[in-house]
Amino acid sequence: AQSVTQLDSHVSVSEGTPVLLRCNYSSSYSPSLFWYVQHPNKGLQLLLKYTSAATLVKGINGFEAEFKKSETSFHLTKPSAHMSDAAEYFCVVSDQAGTYKYIFGTGTRLKVLA
Amino acid sequence: NAGVTQTPKFRILKIGQSMTLQCTQDMNHNYMYWYRQDPGMGLKLIYYSVGAGITDKGEVPNGYNVSRSTTEDFPLRLELAAPSQTSVYFCASHSRDRGLEQYFGPGTRLTVT
Repeated sequence: AQSVTQLDSHVSVSEGTPVLLRCNYSSSYSPSLFWYVQHPNKGLQLLLKYTSAATLVKGINGFEAEFKKSETSFHLTKPSAHMSDAAEYFCVVSDQAGTYKYIFGTGTRLKVLA
Repeated sequence: NAGVTQTPKFRILKIGQSMTLQCTQDMNHNYMYWYRQDPGMGLKLIYYSVGAGITDKGEVPNGYNVSRSTTEDFPLRLELAAPSQTSVYFCASHSRDRGLEQYFGPGTRLTVT
């Protein structure tokens, strides 16, 4: 069975400092992994995805994530936080390409301090 | 493309009332989903559809019904609303052939009192 764990429910960083949001997954197959961002009162927007190509994935707004199979991790990083990055971030796993089985983490709320 | 649209944006229901949440996508996606998001939780799958005329239950289907008569539309019906159905509802879609990422609507915030 597949599952996903976001290790921090809240993360606070100062503007201009690096961001690290942690995600571990469990999957019986080769997983597809996604990070979504949700700004207040908005829908979810795809930041980036891993689907068995390059293990270092670059997304929008300067975010990137590295798929590490040995550690079953897919952590999201950004070198320098911006105030507009304050939002909720969701890690999602799917281990059957093209099916309905997407499992969502419980989310990490990122706060960016001026 | 408008993407995935949902109506209404907000709704307050009394216990026992019924309503339909509308979802439409204009990307010709075959897969469509309904999720609910409760505070501090991830998204839970209510129902999904792999194409017109085909629907199936997700993790939390009780109290809901869906239909998929066209590729574009996937309405969610709440019968006999209960306070436990107070939540934010998201519709999503994706194409099996053009990438695995889901596209989400802006959500419907429903309160049952």
